[in-house]
Amino acid sequence: EVQVVESGGGLVQPGRSLRLSCVASGFTFDVHGMHWVRQAPGKGLEWVGGISWNSGDIGYADSVKGRFTISRDNAKNSLYLQMNSLGPEDTALYYCTRDQSGSWPGNAFDIWGQGTMVTVSS
Amino acid sequence: SYVLTQPPSESVAPGKTARITCGGSNIGRKNVHWYQQKPGQAPVLVIFRDSDRPSGIPDRFSGSNFESTATLIISGVEAGDEADYYCQVWDSSGDHRAFFGPGTKLTVL
Repeated sequence: EVQVVESGGGLVQPGRSLRLSCVASGFTFDVHGMHWVRQAPGKGLEWVGGISWNSGDIGYADSVKGRFTISRDNAKNSLYLQMNSLGPEDTALYYCTRDQSGSWPGNAFDIWGQGTMVTVSS
Repeated sequence: SYVLTQPPSESVAPGKTARITCGGSNIGRKNVHWYQQKPGQAPVLVIFRDSDRPSGIPDRFSGSNFESTATLIISGVEAGDEADYYCQVWDSSGDHRAFFGPGTKLTVL
């Protein structure tokens, strides 16, 4: 079965850091770009950032640039999101999603995980 | 930053055709992708590159994109189509970034 599964979410205090992980299975991970998309409670979808198949291109939304870092380990079929200097505005369900293509910029996001919730609160 | 606009809501009777629009500057020159999200569930890709359907998506779902408006068309609407629908594009003016529209809540009457 083609799937991606996120982990690492939780409750974190403002200003602290958190690292999310996403493990892929059922497809050839290292030919696809991968992305993180988040959804604040009751709100719409927001692209956080993404990474090309070989990590040669990485992009971020303005709202997280300089605070968040995306990386991948193709040997482990894994995608990561390192989040620093977290604020209440980062509270959201974070989805890992597969890009149809491996190149940059990408195409559509065709496989989604169920998400991992991040709550930033004191 | 690239701004996409969508109507907050649309209503349609069962069996009729729903049209959900997505506006943006020169959006006709971009590939537009559409996602369906039901409550408590992850989004599902229903249309990519303006009008292509992923495998498993019924042919009741179609799309168009011309000049400043892209449209998701759902014909023969069923109760199960009630969901939020989001359009998405890539903008390459400056850094390459992806943008989602604000979403449209489709209600089946």
